[in-house]
Amino acid sequence: DAKTTQPPSMDCAEGRAANLPCNHSTISGNEYVYWYRQIHSQGPQYIIHGLKNNETNEMASLIITEDRKSSTLILPHATLRDTAVYYCIVRDYNDMRFGAGTRLTVKP
Amino acid sequence: ETGVTQSPTHLIKTRGQQVTLRCSSQSGHNTVSWYQQALGQGPQFIFQYYREEENGRGNFPPRFSGLQFPNYSSELNVNALELDDSALYLCASSPDQIGELFFGEGSRLTVL
Repeated sequence: DAKTTQPPSMDCAEGRAANLPCNHSTISGNEYVYWYRQIHSQGPQYIIHGLKNNETNEMASLIITEDRKSSTLILPHATLRDTAVYYCIVRDYNDMRFGAGTRLTVKP
Repeated sequence: ETGVTQSPTHLIKTRGQQVTLRCSSQSGHNTVSWYQQALGQGPQFIFQYYREEENGRGNFPPRFSGLQFPNYSSELNVNALELDDSALYLCASSPDQIGELFFGEGSRLTVL
């Protein structure tokens, strides 16, 4: 079973920030939070990951709460090409379990 | 383009048959993992190999088995195919056991 809970779907206007929430209340101290996305039936694409601190890269920002029980992925300026299923995953060194993900639809 | 290639891209088998799927990892990656993705669902973790040893397994029966070779390429074998084994099978490689996963485009298996 997945260790994360995400809303099944979200909409976002093109050019606006998309904020995708994830709950992982049973996360343990050595588990990382990863985000991937999958466009149609392609292989999942890595976005970002973190352990405790907030992280930012060229694609997105990851905000992890202090108790690490939830996180938010932020796409600062969503484009139509960001329409995809986004997966939040809690991972340790030998286990990676995807949930059902959030289907993000970016609208013009 | 992730540098991870899978073959074949599509195949059709009948119930009871056996199938072997192959994965070529990105150069220098010593960890490979396999996932099953049924239509409309998220990928389900099958198992992971690290330096040719299986070191993690999801909730899949023993008829799902694998190999990782010295060059870190990998195979997924499924025996006694069932209709529910129809899915997209994804392979992912990583430079270590906790690093970013690089996914291939998958092998779509249809069991009739």
